Amino acid sequence: EDQVTQSPEALRLQEGESSSLNCSYTVSGLRGLFWYRQDPGKGPEFLFTLYSAGEEKEKERLKATLTKKESFLHITAPKPEDSATYLCAVTGANSKLTFGKGITLSVRP
Amino acid sequence: NAGVTQTPKFQVLKTGQSMTLQCAQDMNHNSMYWYRQDPGMGLRLIYYSASEGTTDKGEVPNGYNVSRLNKREFSLRLESAAPSQTSVYFCASSDLGIDEQYFGPGTRLTVT
Repeated sequence: EDQVTQSPEALRLQEGESSSLNCSYTVSGLRGLFWYRQDPGKGPEFLFTLYSAGEEKEKERLKATLTKKESFLHITAPKPEDSATYLCAVTGANSKLTFGKGITLSVRP
Repeated sequence: NAGVTQTPKFQVLKTGQSMTLQCAQDMNHNSMYWYRQDPGMGLRLIYYSASEGTTDKGEVPNGYNVSRLNKREFSLRLESAAPSQTSVYFCASSDLGIDEQYFGPGTRLTVT
């Protein structure tokens, strides 16, 4: 059974204070690891897909990296508008998406 | 380009009542999905449709039925609602099963 564990559950940062969110996974035949952002009362918004260990992708202040056991979402110099819940998910051999419980990020001005 | 749309946005049902949640996508995607999201549980797959004309059970299918009406539309039906089905329901779509999924805005359902 595919499993995704995200840590920490919640993270509070000061504006400009860089940090990383962790996603550990076990999956049979990784076909893709996905990061989503979810704002309160809204649906998840797609951010990145990573397919193989060593791959990195960037978008504005966010950078996602992937190893064989975990993925990190690095946030550089965050702003209050980066406050949201960040979800990690994997697709394995069964082609179904398995989500972690998410990390709630709060960035104080 | 609206992406994925869901109706209704909010719904309150009494135990035993039935209702259908509607979902439509305008991205010409092949695959569509229904999830529920509960506090502390994350997103869980209820049913999915890999392509028009096919549907399969996900992790938590009991108490639900689905219909893939055409390539654009995928509905979720609760035949006899129970308080345990109080949740936020999200519809999603993807081009292929292994691709990133795009989510709708959600339906907040309360069963009393």
